[in-house]
Parts: sequence; structure tokens; C-alpha cells
Amino acid sequence: AQTVTQSQPEMSVQEAETVTLSCTYDTSESDYYLFWYKQPPSRQMILVIRQEAYKQQNATENRFSVNFQKAAKSFSLKISDSQLGDAAMYFCAYYMEYGNKLVFGAGTILRVKS
Amino acid sequence: DTGVSQNPRHKITKRGQNVTFRCDPISEHNRLYWYRQTLGQGPEFLTYFQNEAQLEKSRLLSDRFSAERPKGSFSTLEIQRTEQGDSAMYLCASSLFGEQYFGPGTRLTVT
Repeated sequence: AQTVTQSQPEMSVQEAETVTLSCTYDTSESDYYLFWYKQPPSRQMILVIRQEAYKQQNATENRFSVNFQKAAKSFSLKISDSQLGDAAMYFCAYYMEYGNKLVFGAGTILRVKS
Repeated sequence: DTGVSQNPRHKITKRGQNVTFRCDPISEHNRLYWYRQTLGQGPEFLTYFQNEAQLEKSRLLSDRFSAERPKGSFSTLEIQRTEQGDSAMYLCASSLFGEQYFGPGTRLTVT
């Protein structure tokens, strides 16, 4: 069974600085997707960024980028120029091609200090 | 608003009562998912529909839980004889390919 591990329960970053959230996963599949979702307090889950496993190029969405290391089964999220609105719980999630569900990690709480 | 909607947003019920939640997916999405999220944890998969067919159910979905998606549009999740352990956020998501879009969730409190 696929598993997703987020080893950092909580992270803090100063406003305008850069922070990296870690994620590792376990799978025997070769075709899959990886996602980072953001869940602000008492608000709904928002998709931040996606990565297809067959793509070698790391995905980037504005201030958000990933470092995808397929062989190491690692998928970290880098947030540049952190803003107060980035404060949230961040979940790493795995989706198998032709699969039926997302498998989530336990999440990392990101606090942004002004 | 064309996102995923869920009703009610909050539900407080007494142990032993039945509750039903509704999810309206994004209109062109043929896949619909239910997840359960407890405080401080990631969502856990409950069940999945493709159009009106329920194709997978988690072992988390006990006999007291039932989900339907008549006509492949909205979906309902019913919990019979609620227990305190059912207290959680119930999330609905829909998709067409790959990424899933989530609704705001229904927070269930069983007293």
C-alpha cells in the first residue's frame, strides 16, 4: 500500500523568507501524481501544485516550487517570499494513475512570522 | 460559484441519531470522493463514485455508513446510529482527471 510521510509536524518562517516542507512517499508504481494541498484554519483545502511522475522537470506555480526526486521518492515544497496568507496546514498527497483516491500525509503546520 | 459545495457545514447530533450530508460536485466532474478528516490529521479516503457507480469503499466505511450518487450528480453520505467516534470533518471532492477539488466540508459533532 502507498504511504506518504511528512516528517515536520510544524515549521516557522519569517515573512519574505523561503521555507521548504518535506515529503516522502512509498510506492511500487511508476505512473502517479503528487500534490501539495493547503488548508487554512477553518477553510477548505486548496490545490497548490501538482507533479506528474513521468515529468523530470520540477513543477512551479508562482512562489511555489517542488523538488521531485523520483528515485529517492521525495517531493518537497519550497515557498519563496513567504506571506502571512501562506500560514496554513500543508498536506502532501499521492494519487496513482488509474487509482481511485488520494493518499495524504499527516500534514505540516506552517506559521509565518511578521 | 462553480466549486464543490457541501451542506450542512456543521451538524451537531446526539449519539444514536442518523445524519445525512450532501455534496454537489463541480458540474462537469464525473468522479466524486468522500473523505474523513479528524483534527490535526490528513484526510482519509471513504468512498469513490464514477458517475452513479460506487466503485470503491474503504474499510473505514462501516455498515452504518452509506453513500449514494443518484443520476451521477450530487451525492449523499448517511451515517446511521451515530457514535462519538464519528465526530470528524467529512470532505467531498470531485475531479475529471488527476487533481481533486475539495468542498468546505461538513463538521460533525456527536454528543
